[in-house]
Amino acid sequence: GDSVTQMEGPVTLSEEAFLTINCTYTATGYPSLFWYVQYPGEGLQLLLKATKADDKGSNKGFEATYRKETTSFHLEKGSVQVSDSAVYFCALSEWGGGGADGLTFGKGTHLIIQP
Amino acid sequence: DAGVIQSPRHEVTEMGQEVTLRCKPISGHDYLFWYRQTMMRGLELLIYFNNNVPIDDSGMPEDRFSAKMPNASFSTLKIQPSEPRDSAVYFCASNGGEETQYFGPGTRLLVL
Repeated sequence: GDSVTQMEGPVTLSEEAFLTINCTYTATGYPSLFWYVQYPGEGLQLLLKATKADDKGSNKGFEATYRKETTSFHLEKGSVQVSDSAVYFCALSEWGGGGADGLTFGKGTHLIIQP
Repeated sequence: DAGVIQSPRHEVTEMGQEVTLRCKPISGHDYLFWYRQTMMRGLELLIYFNNNVPIDDSGMPEDRFSAKMPNASFSTLKIQPSEPRDSAVYFCASNGGEETQYFGPGTRLLVL
């Protein structure tokens, strides 16, 4: 079955540091890939997504590129802020072909940004 | 739009009691998903509906769990009887036939 593996946290960085959170996946078809963010006490919010190979999703300074050859979707940001502290989830969905599916999530990476 | 609405936000109950969680999807969305989040297992899909019909309930852990969607604007997830291991955050999400799912704020359940 489908699965998503992401680096476990917590990841602690200083403000303005460069961020990378690794994510790799296994899937039977051609999934769409997502990064969701969860702030304390809240639900998940879509951060960015990519629907096909070599697509780059971006939002709020975060980027991730769909790499089919390495089955990866690593999240990056050039300069993190304290407000980026949250839990980040990588996920995939095998949607299309007339069908639908729930999201398969990684375990989540807790990011802590220190001033 | 108000987004996905879940109630209650917090629920504390005793083992053996019935628990009912509620969800109102975004208007016009025809897919509704129930997820459970725990420290040990992360986020797991329990069940999802399309046009009020359950499509895949293979993630429902046991017969103590049941879910219904009587109309396009309301769904329930019921646990009867509840057990301490059911303690988790339960999320509802919806989408309108495209891939992005929109999540509610979750219900934090504690079973004593």
